[in-house]
Amino acid sequence: ETGVTQTPRHLVMGMTNKKSLKCEQHLGHNAMYWYKQSAKKPLELMFVYSLEERVENNSVPSRFSPECPNSSHLFLHLHTLQPEDSALYLCASSPLGAGGAEQYFGPGTRLTVT
Amino acid sequence: AQSVTQLGSHVSVSEGALVLLRCNYSSSVPPYLFWYVQYPNQGLQLLLKYTSAATLVKGINGFEAEFKKSETSFHLTKPSAHMSDAAEYFCAGRLGSSNTGKLIFGQGTTLQVKP
Repeated sequence: ETGVTQTPRHLVMGMTNKKSLKCEQHLGHNAMYWYKQSAKKPLELMFVYSLEERVENNSVPSRFSPECPNSSHLFLHLHTLQPEDSALYLCASSPLGAGGAEQYFGPGTRLTVT
Repeated sequence: AQSVTQLGSHVSVSEGALVLLRCNYSSSVPPYLFWYVQYPNQGLQLLLKYTSAATLVKGINGFEAEFKKSETSFHLTKPSAHMSDAAEYFCAGRLGSSNTGKLIFGQGTTLQVKP
C-alpha cells in the first residue's frame, strides 16, 4: 500500500472527449506531481504542486489542465487529446522541502487515445 | 547542469548472477539519491535511498547501492538475481536547492533475468 491512489486505472477516450484523472494521497504530504511515462521514453515531469499552488509546468500542452483543490487531491483534466498522448500517467507526492524524503507513487492510469 | 544518467538501457543476467545497474549524477550540491523499481503497469516503488548518513545503503529485496562522491556514482547491486527481479529500474536524484521536492530521473534500465 503506497498511500497514493489513482482512478481510473485504465481509460480509453476519443480525441473529442473530455475526461479527468484523479489522484489522492493519505500521507499528509503537501507537494504533488504529475508524470507522463511513454513507451521507450524517460519519465517526464508534467506539473508540480506545492501547498496547492502550481510551481512548475514543464511546457505541457494546454489540452492538459491540472487542478489541486486541496493538499490530498490532484486532478488532471483532459480534452481534445492526440494519439501521442497515450501513455501511463503517474501521480506522486512528497513532503514539502523534502530533502532526503522520497516521492511516493500511485499505480498510474493507462490512457489510450483513439 | 544537474542530471542523472543510467548507463545501459537493457541489462540481462542469468538467475543467480550478480546484478549491477549503473547510475551517475551531476550536481552542484550534495545530492539525495534514490533507486526505484517499476513492474509492468504499476507505479514506481522505492528500493533504497542515500541521504548522506551512510555511503553503503541497503534496500528491499536484497538490493544495495554505494554512494561514491569521487566517481559521482550510485550503482545498484544485488549478489544473486531472482526471476522476480525482472523489471524497470530508475535512478533519481534531488540535486538542487529547490524546496518543491522535485526529482530528476534517469532514463531507466530494463533488467532481464534468464533462467
